[in-house]
Amino acid sequence: DIQMTQSPSSLSASVGDRVTITCRASQSINTYLNWYQQKPGKAPKLLIYPAASLQGGVPSRFSGSGSGTDFTLTISSLQPEDFATYYCQQSYTTPWTFGQGTKVEIK
Amino acid sequence: EVQLEQSGAEVKKPGESLKISCKGSAYRFTSNWIGWVRQMPGKGLEWMGMIYPGDSNTRYSPSFQGQVTFSVDKSINTAYLQWSSLKASDTAMYYCARRDSSGFGGAFDIWGQGTMVTVSS
Repeated sequence: DIQMTQSPSSLSASVGDRVTITCRASQSINTYLNWYQQKPGKAPKLLIYPAASLQGGVPSRFSGSGSGTDFTLTISSLQPEDFATYYCQQSYTTPWTFGQGTKVEIK
Repeated sequence: EVQLEQSGAEVKKPGESLKISCKGSAYRFTSNWIGWVRQMPGKGLEWMGMIYPGDSNTRYSPSFQGQVTFSVDKSINTAYLQWSSLKASDTAMYYCARRDSSGFGGAFDIWGQGTMVTVSS
C-alpha cells in the first residue's frame, strides 16, 4: 500500500494567516492526489482534485500544488470557517489511502 | 441535487450481523463507483473499498477484505455495507461516497452524512 504522510499533524493559526500543509507519498503518485476538509461532526468535503484543481464552489484562497511524491495545500488567508481537519488522499492505485490528517486550530 | 442518503445509527452487540445502506439520488447511480470510508472515534479516514453498481465489481482494501461485504440493489439505487459478526472494534462512523466519473484516479466528490455503528455488550 502507498503510505501518505502529512505534516504537521496539527497547527495553530490566526485569522488572516497563510497556512501550508504538506503531504508526502511513499512512492510516486503522479498528480493523483486529493485534498478534503472535514469539520467536526460532518462528512469530509472534496476541496482539490487532482493535486491543483479546485473543486467548484471552493474559495480561491485554497490552492494545491505538487506532483510525484510531494504535495502542498495552501490557504492564503485563513478564515474562521477554515478551522477544520484536512486530509490528503492518493487515488493512483487501490487501496486508496489517506494521510493521517492535519487539524487547523485557532490561535 | 446529487445526494447520498445513509441509514440511521445502529447499536449492536458483538457477534450480531448488520447491513447499512446508502441511497443515491439525482444522478445515474449505475455509472459511478460507491466507496466506503471508516472513521473510528477521534481518528482519521480509512478507505475500505468500492463497488461499481453497474456490475457489482468490487475493490476491497486488504485491511477490510473478508471482514465486510459490499453489495448493491440497482433497482432502488442503494449500496450496502454489511458485517456477519460484529466486533467492538467495528465501532465507528461509516461514510459512503461517490467516486467521480474520471477514467483513472478519481476522488470522492459526494459524501453521505455517515452512519454511526456502535458495538457494545
